[in-house]
Amino acid sequence: SQQGEEDPQALSIQEGENATMNCSYKTSINNLQWYRQNSGRGLVHLILIRSNEREKHSGRLRVTLDTSKKSSSLLITASRAADTASYFCAPRILGGSNYKLTFGKGTLLTVNP
Amino acid sequence: NAGVMQNPRHLVRRRGQEARLRCSPMKGHSHVYWYRQLPEEGLKFMVYLQKENIIDESGMPKERFSAEFPKEGPSILRIQQVVRGDSAAYFCASSPPSPNEKLFFGSGTQLSVL
Repeated sequence: SQQGEEDPQALSIQEGENATMNCSYKTSINNLQWYRQNSGRGLVHLILIRSNEREKHSGRLRVTLDTSKKSSSLLITASRAADTASYFCAPRILGGSNYKLTFGKGTLLTVNP
Repeated sequence: NAGVMQNPRHLVRRRGQEARLRCSPMKGHSHVYWYRQLPEEGLKFMVYLQKENIIDESGMPKERFSAEFPKEGPSILRIQQVVRGDSAAYFCASSPPSPNEKLFFGSGTQLSVL
């Protein structure tokens, strides 16, 4: 399968806490991307990490990538109620001209005020 | 620069009718992707197109579904003889022609089959 699998399926935390979501995949990748989906809306790109990178930051987001374990994690620090959404990882396979991204079932994050 | 535009936002069809969903990619984007999402589930890949060319249709049902991305105009996802099981949200995304680029998603079309 070319898609990532997110874990846990659901996560509920209090505002101000940190949220960590994990992603595992099976193929060699060019890069791995994280997206967020608010209920009923299209996905919004959060961050892209390339296969030769180990860590990347964007505001309150921190993404790590371990290609030897074929896994990635997304950390959201100091969470807010507005962070409530589903989060998806999408590995982009290495090589070829097929640039499609496939998505798993995501992690549903609920941040309680 | 307008984002990915999908229309209609909501589409209601009776069983047996045809549904045509449109997607206009962002300016400069030559790659289009269609996904389907059922309630409480992730996005399921359907088809990946470049201008006038289907690159990957491994997620498309074998019958009744087709997609195109002509040289001029929007990409069209066509569902013939719709059934209740086709009711879902259909999302379109576009990207530039590079593997290191992100996808930009439209707001989706919610198809309801009565």
